[in-house]
Amino acid sequence: RKEVEQDPGPFNVPEGATVAFNCTYSNSASQSFFWYRQDCRKEPKLLMSVYSSGNEDGRFTAQLNRASQYISLLIRDSKLSDSATYLCVVNLPVGPLVFGKGTRLSVIA
Amino acid sequence: DAGITQSPRYKITETGRQVTLMCHQTWSHSYMFWYRQDLGHGLRLIYYSAAADITDKGEVPDGYVVSRSKTENFPLTLESATRSQTSVYFCASSESMSLAGHNEQFFGPGTRLTVL
Repeated sequence: RKEVEQDPGPFNVPEGATVAFNCTYSNSASQSFFWYRQDCRKEPKLLMSVYSSGNEDGRFTAQLNRASQYISLLIRDSKLSDSATYLCVVNLPVGPLVFGKGTRLSVIA
Repeated sequence: DAGITQSPRYKITETGRQVTLMCHQTWSHSYMFWYRQDLGHGLRLIYYSAAADITDKGEVPDGYVVSRSKTENFPLTLESATRSQTSVYFCASSESMSLAGHNEQFFGPGTRLTVL
């Protein structure tokens, strides 16, 4: 089983829609979790950290389910500018962060 | 506040040539990382460094060499470039790798390398 798995998408949603991505991780000892956003041909940028039971920042909500070993990212009221690839990132007990391959989102007018 | 910079941003070279990609950060972060990103593979860790003169292999280190004589710089060298090393290379840094926090990574803008 891969350490971090994401549905690659693409998710094509209309403006104003709510969209959710899931990410599963294999190591139950993982403690830190992040969502990064990557625009086409640009570097990944930190979107949100998820340290405990969840985190909310405006239209974005990240949730952690330790029992099932997954984290989710919910985007409400999608904007055209939300179109990007969203990377799920997990901190293993030893070693650097592990990045998922990303989920591509296209918000359509 | 420059943050983390990479140079060159674009590079075209030929098979067999040596190429060095530069990475510089101004945050005094202890940890620095090199990734390559290719379609279908996502980000793959090449090498990382915990401090000056301390480096470790990542997932795909073959064909690459790193050094870290100063905390702020982490150059990546392709000793004899091959076509399979055509990729986008990202450098990143973080304050920590601890589970206790401050382990988020911040990325440079990337270097697009083409090996002909």
